[in-house]
Amino acid sequence: NAGVTQTPKFQVLKTGQSMTLQCAQDMNHEYMSWYRQDPGMGLRLIHYSVGAGITDQGEVPNGYNVSRSTTEDFPLRLLSAAPSQTSVYFCASNKGALAGTDTQYFGPGTRLTVL
Amino acid sequence: KNEVEQSPQNLTAQEGEFITINCSYSVGISALHWLQQHPGGGIVSLFMLSSGKKKHGRLIATINIQEKHSSLHITASHPRDSAVYICAVRSWDGNQFYFGTGTSLTVIP
Repeated sequence: NAGVTQTPKFQVLKTGQSMTLQCAQDMNHEYMSWYRQDPGMGLRLIHYSVGAGITDQGEVPNGYNVSRSTTEDFPLRLLSAAPSQTSVYFCASNKGALAGTDTQYFGPGTRLTVL
Repeated sequence: KNEVEQSPQNLTAQEGEFITINCSYSVGISALHWLQQHPGGGIVSLFMLSSGKKKHGRLIATINIQEKHSSLHITASHPRDSAVYICAVRSWDGNQFYFGTGTSLTVIP
């Protein structure tokens, strides 16, 4: 199993540009989520999904969209990038349909810089 | 308001020392996780526990539900243990998963 994969690893955007961060898992996990990690702060939840076709907002959803058309994939879209979205983004999954009910698996992260 | 507080924020130890990292939380929980983030950035799960104590090799995690407190211990620390250790809790009321800000550990040879 490849586990949780994310692409790209690094990205530089200009203010106003849009892009999609890719996340995929091959473990048939129900729950998938996107977090951002900023210096001095804990991981913060952006959006999550409890199964294909079902998504919901987390703590910091503004400026981001998600969809879950398959169990495997959970892309994160930045609609119009802003410098405040400069961060490291992690995708995570677990087997159950609720966060943290079993072992969490994290992707390697995407370091995004918005100029 | 932080639902999860960790201490210390930074910790430097000599190789071989016994290390303790503490986690306190303010919400009712169904599970607590300890995660390790290496300097390269990757995050791996070390433990998930809801009561008592778990042990993997030189790592031991304990939780006291009544006191809302957990500790992560590392015995015979080694430079390869240098990483950020993150505590996270799953709340009872809804699909909430709260993270601490992490404890940065450096083990000096």
